[in-house]
Amino acid sequence: EAQVTQNPRYLITVTGKKLTVTCSQNMNHEYMSWYRQDPGLGLRQIYYSMNVEVTDKGDVPEGYKVSRKEKRNFPLILESPSPNQTSLYFCASSLYGVAFFGQGTRLTVV
Amino acid sequence: RKEVEQDPGPFNVPEGATVAFNCTYSNSASQSFFWYRQDCRKEPKLLMSVYSSGNEDGRFTAQLNRASQYISLLIRDSKLSDSATYLCVVDPPRSNDYKLSFGAGTTVTVRA
Repeated sequence: EAQVTQNPRYLITVTGKKLTVTCSQNMNHEYMSWYRQDPGLGLRQIYYSMNVEVTDKGDVPEGYKVSRKEKRNFPLILESPSPNQTSLYFCASSLYGVAFFGQGTRLTVV
Repeated sequence: RKEVEQDPGPFNVPEGATVAFNCTYSNSASQSFFWYRQDCRKEPKLLMSVYSSGNEDGRFTAQLNRASQYISLLIRDSKLSDSATYLCVVDPPRSNDYKLSFGAGTTVTVRA
């Protein structure tokens, strides 16, 4: 089954404690992205990757890092989370404009 | 101006009604358009692509108006299960899959 898998689904953490949200896809897509979704603001792109070892900033990259060492994996790293990063996060892989999303990670930073 | 704008709604309609809403986009050179459906903070899922000639998928009809730069979605014979947020997605011409532009969504609530 074609899918994008994110972990964890829910996470509560404290300010400043580094965390990683994993994302894996089994469709051999070159393009992957991370989004955050906040009420009234819709989906905003954080980072994207066009292929292995090729990443670039999206619209709201501050406070985030990513890596793409393998085609299937695209982890999102928060080195020092802050409360304004409390949000719903989605990873997606896409082909020809059609995006497949992971189930989302609801992150709360206290 | 946002790249993609949608009326947030909500559109509250009775079962069996027809509901329609639009999405406007700012880049006149955009080539690809999509409607996604999102249920209650779950992941968005592709509902349908929007073709230049317009297209139907069962009770759903999508239209593209390039002159006025908007796309529309019409839902006929609404079901309770159609209650969701509908996201308009535009693929600007400069992008290569990684820069889809999402609208903030239109919420539809179908009541019994």
